[in-house]
Amino acid sequence: AQSVTQLDSQVPVFEEAPVELRCNYSSSVSVYLFWYVQYPNQGLQLLLKYLSGSTLVESINGFEAEFNKSQTSFHLRKPSVHISDTAEYFCAVSESGGYQKVTFGTGTKLQVIP
Amino acid sequence: GAVVSQHPSRVICKSGTSVKIECRSLDFQATTMFWYRQFPKQSLMLMATSNEGSKATYEQGVEKDKFLINHASLTLSTLTVTSAHPEDSSFYICSARESSGGNTEAFFGQGTRLTVV
Repeated sequence: AQSVTQLDSQVPVFEEAPVELRCNYSSSVSVYLFWYVQYPNQGLQLLLKYLSGSTLVESINGFEAEFNKSQTSFHLRKPSVHISDTAEYFCAVSESGGYQKVTFGTGTKLQVIP
Repeated sequence: GAVVSQHPSRVICKSGTSVKIECRSLDFQATTMFWYRQFPKQSLMLMATSNEGSKATYEQGVEKDKFLINHASLTLSTLTVTSAHPEDSSFYICSARESSGGNTEAFFGQGTRLTVV
């Protein structure tokens, strides 16, 4: 079994400032890691994922996350946020291979302040 | 990316009635689909794993007779909330993975907001 911890439930940040959303996971086997974004009253959209290879993964809208196996972390970062980044962000993990279920963290609400 | 369509997006029903939610993979085949429930200001909790052609696997604490899941084809899974009560009001989201390989992301539907009055 695996679990995900997102310690910050809310993160307010001023527009154009950098942000880091923290995510730690636990698992006894190899994992895949994901960040999903949810806008109000909408479903989830995949932001980025780590399956294998380079530990630094990037999204098309400027977010990046780095898989750190020793610290069992997959923190999400963006050097300069925009108002449109205001949303809830979920870190998720699944066991690698097969059709394993995805386990989600409790989410972090990013609020960008103009 | 692949598209998962969920219908309806919103539904209001009377207490005691049943509601069916559909989850379709539009441009890929999905042997396995997942149903999640999200309470306000909380994360998504997996309810059940829906397998095409076989019985769904329910998570601990989820009543299988109340939340009926049918995965009749490789592109459609349905969740029926039977005899709905106000405490069943929630946001329900489905997801699907392509059947062609396991090393893929899960694509999510837009969710269904169920309100039981």
